[in-house]
Amino acid sequence: AQKVTQAQTEISVVEKEDVTLDCVYETRDTTYYLFWYKQPPSGELVFLIRRNSFDEQNEISGRYSWNFQKSTSSFNFTITASQVVDSAVYFCALSEEYGEGAQKLVFGQGTRLTINP
Amino acid sequence: KAGVTQTPRYLIKTRGQQVTLSCSPISGHRSVSWYQQTPGQGLQFLFEYFSETQRNKGNFPGRFSGRQFSNSRSEMNVSTLELGDSALYLCASSLLSEPRLAGNEQFFGPGTRLTVL
Repeated sequence: AQKVTQAQTEISVVEKEDVTLDCVYETRDTTYYLFWYKQPPSGELVFLIRRNSFDEQNEISGRYSWNFQKSTSSFNFTITASQVVDSAVYFCALSEEYGEGAQKLVFGQGTRLTINP
Repeated sequence: KAGVTQTPRYLIKTRGQQVTLSCSPISGHRSVSWYQQTPGQGLQFLFEYFSETQRNKGNFPGRFSGRQFSNSRSEMNVSTLELGDSALYLCASSLLSEPRLAGNEQFFGPGTRLTVL
């Protein structure tokens, strides 16, 4: 069965600090997709990144970066020089490649990130 | 391009009643998924529709049902409401090039917050 674990329930840092959100996943599939979503107070989930299981190259987008390691089944998310606007709940999610599980996202419990000025 | 819209945004019902929530996907998107978000259980997959067919269903009782229309708009219905059905219900749409291929980004709507008294 698929499972996503975000062990950090809440993180609070001071603005400009770097912060890493952890995500560990379980799946028996060899092909799968990993996602990160941001949920601001408005409630709408905002897509941040998608990774397939064959692409372990790390990605950087501005202040955001993602570290995907199949060997440890982890897909961690780092925010560099955090800003108050980064405050939100962040979700890591997993999707099977195809078949009955297609388009079914399995989410972690989320990490509530608070950036204090 | 307009995003995913959900109506109503807020709803208050009493136990035993039934409710219908509506979701309009992004134009051209044929897959619509529904998720329930509660503080205790987090984000859980309800079901997914593609071309008016339910392709996948989560582990929810039969009181939860849905449908999709020919224009890809979707509705979900909850009958005989229980207090535990109070939640944020999120709808997501996805542009699928291959019906059973996952990995496509899901775009989420703002959600409908249902309160059952």
